[in-house]
Amino acid sequence: QSVLTQPPSASGTPGQRVTISCSGSSSNIGSNTVNWYQHLPGTAPKLLIYSNNQRPSGVPDRFSGSRSGTSASLAISGLQSEDEADYYCATWDDNLNGPVFGGGTKLTVL
Amino acid sequence: EVQLVESGGGLVQPGGSLRLSCAASGFSLSSYWMSWVRRAPGKGLEWVANIKLDGSEKYYVDSVKGRFTVSRDNAKNSLYLQMNSLRAEDTAVYYCARFMRGTGSWDYWGQGTLVTVSS
Repeated sequence: QSVLTQPPSASGTPGQRVTISCSGSSSNIGSNTVNWYQHLPGTAPKLLIYSNNQRPSGVPDRFSGSRSGTSASLAISGLQSEDEADYYCATWDDNLNGPVFGGGTKLTVL
Repeated sequence: EVQLVESGGGLVQPGGSLRLSCAASGFSLSSYWMSWVRRAPGKGLEWVANIKLDGSEKYYVDSVKGRFTVSRDNAKNSLYLQMNSLRAEDTAVYYCARFMRGTGSWDYWGQGTLVTVSS
């Protein structure tokens, strides 16, 4: 059981907008910023969003993040086939005194 | 260009040991916290360990405490993970990653090295 809760799967057609949720508690999302990663097994994970809603250089503005209370979400607009991957939210947990991940969401582009 | 290259993975029997290495280039290793993160087959990403810039502070996920030791040699631009008393549940791809303490994020990752614990 992951500390952060994500839906195991999500899907959309090319061009659509999809949203992936991440639910936590007061000791993690409620008091720390959230980061999002994209991962294709066999490759290096990639930082998509940091500090809730900031994009690293090179990440398209189709990707956006938000946080409210003890939940966060990642939105992908203008869905493309290359977006098919696993997506993870992560943050610091004050009770565990360490970083924690969500269980991951497998995004399928239909 | 920042690069992180892991090595040292392989097949090991339960109870055995393995030492992973991560060669860093393109940045000053001594200026950053570093981490090990793993992904077991069919599972999600899991943080394993963090080490401070000079190695003076180390933190581990509960499941590896007392068995794994993270270390670094800034002069050699290298990060290490000594894994002892390995269990089947330690089977995973292990990634080294650069940890940004201010944001709690990992901005650069290696390609990973596979560790398989099996008899």
